[in-house]
Amino acid sequence: QQQVKQSPQSLIVQKGGIPIINCAYENTAFDYFPWYQQFPGKGPALLIAIRPDVSEKKEGRFTISFNKSAKQFSLHIMDSQPGDSATYFCAAGIAGNMLTFGGGTRLMVKP
Amino acid sequence: IAGITQAPTSQILAAGRRMTLRCTQDMRHNAMYWYRQDLGLGLRLIHYSNTAGTTGKGEVPDGYSVSRANTDDFPLTLASAVPSQTSVYFCARRPGQTHRLDGYTFGSGTRLTVV
Repeated sequence: QQQVKQSPQSLIVQKGGIPIINCAYENTAFDYFPWYQQFPGKGPALLIAIRPDVSEKKEGRFTISFNKSAKQFSLHIMDSQPGDSATYFCAAGIAGNMLTFGGGTRLMVKP
Repeated sequence: IAGITQAPTSQILAAGRRMTLRCTQDMRHNAMYWYRQDLGLGLRLIHYSNTAGTTGKGEVPDGYSVSRANTDDFPLTLASAVPSQTSVYFCARRPGQTHRLDGYTFGSGTRLTVV
């Protein structure tokens, strides 16, 4: 039973494009929604996180949009760069604990 | 730099052998976790520990055991490895203040191949 579903599995965009990665969750008790970025051979690193009391959070070129009624949240990367090429994971948890991860999205940004 | 250290980096293991993956942190955070990463399945929680002396089962605990004798170390043991345990294993820790949006800090992973 996959509690957090992530799409697409892979994504290719041109430099400057705006890749969008979507996640949907089932457990309404989730109150913490982070996104992680992972480069090959490295562990995931926290990119940005949001709580359900706001609908949007922006940090630099990265934006989380959150729709509580639809139980969905998404990551937008503005002005994407080749250095953004990585695997991205959404996750959900309760009070920051016991994170459940999505299946991951492999992003490639072409120069 | 504060971090979380995993060892070994990679290992090829014969099926049926016992193996312990090591994880050490240097921030004395209470909560620690073991995840396995498989293509298309994301990261799945194996075991966790909220504080020294306590452990709990995650989503995929079968075939694995953990111990938490002190705050800094959280080893993961495969008692008798099977090929389906071929994966990349990540250890993580979490700051104790759950109201902050700090998230987990992950180690660099152990790539395990069971043949």
